[in-house]
Amino acid sequence: EPEVTQTPSHQVTQMGQEVILRCVPISNHLYFYWYRQILGQKVEFLVSFYNNEISEKSEIFDDQFSVERPDGSNFTLKIRSTKLEDSAMYFCASAGSRLYEQFFGPGTRLTVL
Amino acid sequence: AQTVTQSQPEMSVQEAETVTLSCTYDTSESDYYLFWYKQPPSRQMILVIRQEAYKQQNATENRFSVNFQKAAKSFSLKISDSQLGDAAMYFCAYRSAWETSGSRLTFGEGTQLTVNP
Repeated sequence: EPEVTQTPSHQVTQMGQEVILRCVPISNHLYFYWYRQILGQKVEFLVSFYNNEISEKSEIFDDQFSVERPDGSNFTLKIRSTKLEDSAMYFCASAGSRLYEQFFGPGTRLTVL
Repeated sequence: AQTVTQSQPEMSVQEAETVTLSCTYDTSESDYYLFWYKQPPSRQMILVIRQEAYKQQNATENRFSVNFQKAAKSFSLKISDSQLGDAAMYFCAYRSAWETSGSRLTFGEGTQLTVNP
């Protein structure tokens, strides 16, 4: 069964450093998402991406964040200058023609020291 | 903006028994989708069940069923014949059916379910 994959599973970085989180969505999906979950809190929407552009973003998704689909398979989230409060689990999700059904990856745990 | 509330931070159930997890939501929209996601200790988000707001019939997936009360804006999950593998964090989520409202999922705070042998 096709699935969303994410790398790395755990990333440790120093405050102020740039990180890139990678996702490989399900191959025939066209809609891509990033969510984050700070430990012990609810899952929060960051951004959605369709047709090579951002279709929606939350107030969390400020200028420090960017997304890209550099090739036909990868979908990346870049944080330019990480802060301590960026420490969280980051989930990638994708959806196909059944737009209401989003499939989540296993997540990347980001730890900012 | 839509909000989703899960008022039970923790629930427990005996193996083989039935448990109901509660969820309420607030929206001014008439058409939307509601979901229950399961997050086991691995932290992967797994879709358990989906309900379309325009359908009056409650969704059912094997041992999982929902009680959808649109007027009350309530969407509870019933797990029958609970199994040890059902132990997880359960999130209720909302998605607008209107493309102009975007396709983001809005999640509740989660309910941690413990299944006792």
